[in-house]
Amino acid sequence: DGGITQSPKYLFRKEGQNVTLSCEQNLNHDAMYWYRQDPGQGLRLIYYSQIVNDFQKGDIAEGYSVSREKKESFPLTVTSAQKNPTAFYLCASSPRAENTEAFFGQGTRLTVV
Amino acid sequence: QQPVQSPQAVILREGEDAVINCSSSKALYSVHWYRQKHGEAPVFLMILLKGGEQKGHEKISASFNEKKQQSSLYLTASQLSYSGTYFCGTSGGSNYKLTFGKGTLLTVNP
Repeated sequence: DGGITQSPKYLFRKEGQNVTLSCEQNLNHDAMYWYRQDPGQGLRLIYYSQIVNDFQKGDIAEGYSVSREKKESFPLTVTSAQKNPTAFYLCASSPRAENTEAFFGQGTRLTVV
Repeated sequence: QQPVQSPQAVILREGEDAVINCSSSKALYSVHWYRQKHGEAPVFLMILLKGGEQKGHEKISASFNEKKQQSSLYLTASQLSYSGTYFCGTSGGSNYKLTFGKGTLLTVNP
């Protein structure tokens, strides 16, 4: 079945450690996105990528990094520079055209203690 | 910059109607609407493109006024299954940047 997979569902890390969240899609979509969801804040865009080997900062990119070495993969690293990393992270993908829907993964809940 | 949604929350009785608004300070190319149930991924409802179109999806429809940079989602004869948080997403052009609002929490009671 085609879809977008995020792993793991829950992740715990100690403060000061970098952590990488996985996002894989087999939909052959060009565009991929990372969002952070906090209560009352909606979905805030961290990074997005239109094509392999290219990505742009979203609205809250500080403390995060990404790579897009393969079309199907868009991992997000939460670095120790991110001051409030505990949140629910959602990955999404969409076909190349602008007027098509985005498909979301089931999310990763990151807790930093 | 996130689009602004209103109201932040609304409570309905089954069968009542609701309108959720979305506005942007930037020129819009398209508006997306999604619904998210608690603990789940957002699910696509519809997309509207510039040109002032209106779309319908069963008893859920939406309009897009590009001049006013606004979109509205209309839910008629609400059902219990309509409960969730509704997000509008906006795109300003061909750079694929899709930005969402803070959401509107809709609760439908029996």
